Amino acid sequence: EDKVVQSPLSLVVHEGDTVTLNCSYEVTNFRSLLWYKQEKKAPTFLFMLTSSGIEKKSGRLSSILDKKELFSILNITATQTGDSAVYLCAGKGGGSSNTGKLIFGQGTTLQVKP
Amino acid sequence: NAGVTQTPKFQVLKTGQSMTLQCAQDMNHNSMYWYRQDPGMGLRLIYYSASEGTTDKGEVPNGYNVSRLNKREFSLRLESAAPSQTSVYFCASSRTGGDGYTFGSGTRLTVV
Repeated sequence: EDKVVQSPLSLVVHEGDTVTLNCSYEVTNFRSLLWYKQEKKAPTFLFMLTSSGIEKKSGRLSSILDKKELFSILNITATQTGDSAVYLCAGKGGGSSNTGKLIFGQGTTLQVKP
Repeated sequence: NAGVTQTPKFQVLKTGQSMTLQCAQDMNHNSMYWYRQDPGMGLRLIYYSASEGTTDKGEVPNGYNVSRLNKREFSLRLESAAPSQTSVYFCASSRTGGDGYTFGSGTRLTVV
């Protein structure tokens, strides 16, 4: 059975701290790993990773994938209160059906205090 | 604005009542999905439709039915609501085999 596991489940830090969120996956015919940020409403897309060892970066956020060890990390440097959110990791498998469905982890709730 | 539109945004049902959650997208996506989100559980796939005319079960399909009415619309029906179906429901769409989803804004459903 495909599964995605995130850790920690929750995290409280102060502004300016650096945080690392973890995501491990077991996805049949793995194709890609995606990170989403969810504030009050729908998840919004952050990164998609398909190749091992290549860092994706956007401002203070960065992510990397290790396909050998089956995990990904999301780093946030110099955190701000606006980074407070639930961060979701999702894995996508391939195969003949190629349906595009994503398997999500439980999410990590990040709270950044002033 | 283009995207995925879900209705209603909020709903309270009594146990045993039925209702249909509506979802429509205007991005010409082939694939559509229904997820539910519960605290500490992430997003769990209920049903999906890889293309118009096809639907398949996801991880948690029991108690739900779906209809892919046309390419744009994918509805989720609760025939006899139960308190365990209290959740936030998200509809999403993507291109065939596409990696990124576009999500609707969600429906918060409470069953009492």
